[in-house]
Amino acid sequence: SYELTQPPSVSVSPGQTASITCSGDKLGDKYACWYQQKPGQSPVLVIYQDSKRPSGIPERFSGSNSGNTATLTISGTQAMDEADYYCQAWDRDVVFGGGTKLTVL
Amino acid sequence: EVQLVESGGGLVQPGGSLRLSCAASGFTFSSYWMSWVRQAPGKGLEWVANIKQDGSEKYYVDSVKGRFTISRDNAKNSLYLQMNSLRAEDTAVYYCARVPIDYGSGKTYYMDVWGKGTTVTVSS
Repeated sequence: SYELTQPPSVSVSPGQTASITCSGDKLGDKYACWYQQKPGQSPVLVIYQDSKRPSGIPERFSGSNSGNTATLTISGTQAMDEADYYCQAWDRDVVFGGGTKLTVL
Repeated sequence: EVQLVESGGGLVQPGGSLRLSCAASGFTFSSYWMSWVRQAPGKGLEWVANIKQDGSEKYYVDSVKGRFTISRDNAKNSLYLQMNSLRAEDTAVYYCARVPIDYGSGKTYYMDVWGKGTTVTVSS
């Protein structure tokens, strides 16, 4: 079955750029999306179809996808961005990455 | 306002059954695929099942095949998940999510609206 791999944790200082990767076999041939989940809350879509932002998502969130890796980039990271982030792709079925805890310190 | 509200969770013994519901509002329910996604305590997201707009296609993760059934009632703007032969490992928060279709490709790629979830606990 298809698998997506994310680093368990990423740390970033406020105002700096955070990058979270998601790896999968030929992931660049599929569309990747990203969800943000804060403690006790439902997931929120922040990037879809590799690099598109839903309405209401700040411009500091961006995405890319090429080769075997999709990347979520948060520019000018704010304390409110501290959350778990999950990548997702659609192979034969829906596949989620294991999630990355972003710490802003 | 686009909204999904899950209900029906609770405590059930191993081997028991439960039926989850998801009430949709604020959008044309019959135009969207729908999904169930679950999250075990302290764990990541796991896709459970998908259903096409008219209910003619259904897909499941291997671990629930033959035990869970996804269904929908477009007249009632509602999504369901019938869960039978429940196991301890089915303990999770269950979310319903809306799945837009890309009309250019006819495919589905992501979930754009999520409910707040309903908690299922399987324990004796």
